[in-house]
Amino acid sequence: DIQMTQSPSSLSASVGDRVTITCRASQTIDRHINWYQHRPGKAPKLLIYAASNLQRGVPSRFSGSGSGTYFTLTINSLQSEDFATYYCLQTFSAVQFGQGTKVEIK
Amino acid sequence: QVTLRESGPALVKPTQTLTLTCTFSGFSLTTRGMSVSWIRQPPGKALEWLALIDWDDDKYYTTSLKTRLTISKDTSKNQVVLTMTNMDPVDTATYYCARRTGYQSGYYYYYYMDVWGKGTTVTVSS
Repeated sequence: DIQMTQSPSSLSASVGDRVTITCRASQTIDRHINWYQHRPGKAPKLLIYAASNLQRGVPSRFSGSGSGTYFTLTINSLQSEDFATYYCLQTFSAVQFGQGTKVEIK
Repeated sequence: QVTLRESGPALVKPTQTLTLTCTFSGFSLTTRGMSVSWIRQPPGKALEWLALIDWDDDKYYTTSLKTRLTISKDTSKNQVVLTMTNMDPVDTATYYCARRTGYQSGYYYYYYMDVWGKGTTVTVSS
């Protein structure tokens, strides 16, 4: 099975900060990675698919990059509604989530 | 508009079988490329993918729970059912269903779960 290592597990940031979350795959997955935002009590929300494609309706401050085994999710100018937990998800072979990154208010 | 809604018991006893139903609208599971997945999140833990059923009835399960899970679909009712046998307190979680779709680019088909239900909470306790 492909393992996804997501880091950091948590981070503290302020409104307006730039935040970067990374995911490493245990083997190459081309660009088969999606990123989700999950707020407590809500359904997870798709932000980025196929590594770098912004889902319709998602603000442009969210962006994704990478291919092969290394991927990043960047949030430019963090907003108050962005404080949540973020997950990567590989869909190259079966399905595997990363362990999540909790973005908290500094 | 695509929607999914999970339903099932809120409380099950250890060793019992859990049956969850995902009722969806706005798409058809007879459409090529469409699938429905089940995902769960135990309290304080990460999301965990459980199972997926394709439009052509192909089924996939997470390795660690494969012997306990069964996924099926009823296209006439727009429903996907997940059963999990031999429930244990560690299976206490919020269970979600989600639509999986995708697109082809070159050699690959890129999949993503784009619409999720709100989830249903299942507690396993005697």
